[in-house]
Amino acid sequence: GNSVTQMEGPVTLSEEAFLTINCTYTATGYPSLFWYVQYPGEGLQLLLKATKADDKGSNKGFEATYRKETTSFHLEKGSVQVSDSAVYFCALNNAGNMLTFGGGTRLMVKP
Amino acid sequence: GAGVSQSPRYKVAKRGQDVALRCDPISGHVSLFWYQQALGQGPEFLTYFQNEAQLDKSGLPSDRFFAERPEGSVSTLKIQRTQQEDSAVYLCASSPHHTRDRGRSGANVLTFGAGSRLTVL
Repeated sequence: GNSVTQMEGPVTLSEEAFLTINCTYTATGYPSLFWYVQYPGEGLQLLLKATKADDKGSNKGFEATYRKETTSFHLEKGSVQVSDSAVYFCALNNAGNMLTFGGGTRLMVKP
Repeated sequence: GAGVSQSPRYKVAKRGQDVALRCDPISGHVSLFWYQQALGQGPEFLTYFQNEAQLDKSGLPSDRFFAERPEGSVSTLKIQRTQQEDSAVYLCASSPHHTRDRGRSGANVLTFGAGSRLTVL
């Protein structure tokens, strides 16, 4: 079956630090991969996506590259801000019917 | 509407009570999904509608859970005889595409509501 594993949080960083949140997946076929972000009190928002191997998704300074050889989709940002504090979810979509989510990683950025 | 709207935002129920959670998807969106998110966990799939047809209900945890979308727009998730383990945030999401139509972007992108937080005492 499909599954997503992401690093446990919380991840605590100082402002302007480099961010990596690891995500690996298990799936048959060729899933699409996503990062969603959940700010306090708000719904999940799509951050970025990639639909095939070697695609790089990017948005708001965040990037993730679809690595089929390592079944990974790690999220990175070169310089985090306090406003990036949120919970980040890695997810995959295989055969179209549903998203399968990882457990989420809480990021806390301190001034 | 501008986004996916869910109500109530917060619901406290006594064990054994029935509850109904409402989802207003984005106007014109074909696909509608319900997810359950336990505290500190990722969302777990419950059920999926394409227009008024419930095409997948494999994630519903028991027969106490029932979802409907009779006119292909608003959906209601009903939980009968609530138990403490039902306490969670219930998320609704919609998409303009049929699940088999991934569109030019090649991926079925979902827009989520803010969720309904259910606490069963």
